[in-house]
Amino acid sequence: KQEVTQIPAALSVPEGENLVLNCSFTDSAIYNLQWFRQDPGKGLTSLLLIQSSQREQTSGRLNASLDKSSGRSTLYIAASQPGDSATYLCAVRPFYNYGQNFVFGPGTRLSVLP
Amino acid sequence: DVKVTQSSRYLVKRTGEKVFLECVQDMDHENMFWYRQDPGLGLRLIYFSYDVKMKEKGDIPEGYSVSREKKERFSLILESASTNQTSMYLCASSLIPRSGTANYGYTFGSGTRLTVV
Repeated sequence: KQEVTQIPAALSVPEGENLVLNCSFTDSAIYNLQWFRQDPGKGLTSLLLIQSSQREQTSGRLNASLDKSSGRSTLYIAASQPGDSATYLCAVRPFYNYGQNFVFGPGTRLSVLP
Repeated sequence: DVKVTQSSRYLVKRTGEKVFLECVQDMDHENMFWYRQDPGLGLRLIYFSYDVKMKEKGDIPEGYSVSREKKERFSLILESASTNQTSMYLCASSLIPRSGTANYGYTFGSGTRLTVV
């Protein structure tokens, strides 16, 4: 059964730093991997979606990579800002169950200090 | 802009009440999902539907039921609300993966914070 873990569980950095969030999954048979952002008390906002055939996706200051064979993805945030403070979740869509459901990691809670 | 809309942001209900949470998507997605999210427990799947009138139990279906009479609408029903169902409820939708489809990621609604007193 697919399991997703995220390290670290929480991270606090000063404004302006570049940072990396890590996501690991146990089964490489996936359709895609998606990174989400969640602000306190809100829903999930999709940041980046990487198809299984892709190595990385970029959007503004965000870059997500995927190494399917090793079961890893990283989310790189450049020049962090206080507005980046949120919980970041990764999710994979596995082949089993006909790809119906995503499997979510527990999230990394990020605080960017001004 | 494509959307998943949850009818209420905040709800307060009494123990024993029947509660309906509504979710509507405008993307013609086949799949729709209901999750609950609690501190320390992450996202847990309650039910999902892969087509009209079709439903599958997720990880924690007890105390819940669902209805999908139309493709765009997926309702979560708490038959008799209890205090342990106080939670954030999140609806999501997605396409079924198929060859040639570019984007079959999840799209989430804004969430409904339900408090049962």
